[in-house]
Amino acid sequence: AAGVIQSPRHLIKEKRETATLKCYPIPRHDTVYWYQQGPGQDPQFLISFYEKMQSDKGSIPDRFSAQQFSDYHSELNMSSLELGDSALYFCASSPSFSTQYFGPGTRLLVL
Amino acid sequence: AQSVTQLGSHVSVSEGALVLLRCNYSSSVPPYLFWYVQYPNQGLQLLLKYTSAATLVKGINGFEAEFKKSETSFHLTKPSAHMSDAAEYFCAVTSEDDKIIFGKGTRLHILP
Repeated sequence: AAGVIQSPRHLIKEKRETATLKCYPIPRHDTVYWYQQGPGQDPQFLISFYEKMQSDKGSIPDRFSAQQFSDYHSELNMSSLELGDSALYFCASSPSFSTQYFGPGTRLLVL
Repeated sequence: AQSVTQLGSHVSVSEGALVLLRCNYSSSVPPYLFWYVQYPNQGLQLLLKYTSAATLVKGINGFEAEFKKSETSFHLTKPSAHMSDAAEYFCAVTSEDDKIIFGKGTRLHILP
């Protein structure tokens, strides 16, 4: 069965650089969620989209933005990267706010 | 507001022994509850979920969890631990606005 796809799987950036993470949901899933998991931490909700509109916002820094496109894939844009942004970023998808299925994550390292 | 508390950040059991990972929740509405597993350097995988049907929920890899409203608990169990069960386990609850709130996680160690 198709799963959530995230790219890239690993990313290394320097401070103050910009990063873009991509998420491709399971086919026919219309809702996408982004989570951030710091080292040794539990995942924290960042932002979600339903039918290409932002549906909820969590602890997402102002330096980050995200959107969902017409094909339902989503991108998380991170600017002015800080060392503390180093984390595992998960995308999850669900069919209309049902059970969330997670992607493998993108591991971001900011040097 | 919804919240989840996992008792014990680390749990060690011998191979073949019972696995019990504790989770208590707080929710102002009937909760949807989940257990996710995270193997080293991997993503989050859904083990099982409770969505107000049967209170005893069976998941993958021989795990099951029982929803007890009177105790606000959703403990995860497996009768016989296997070395491959070593991982981080997260209990989670769906918030009123449908995002997932995770517990702090319990790292399960399997002793040979």
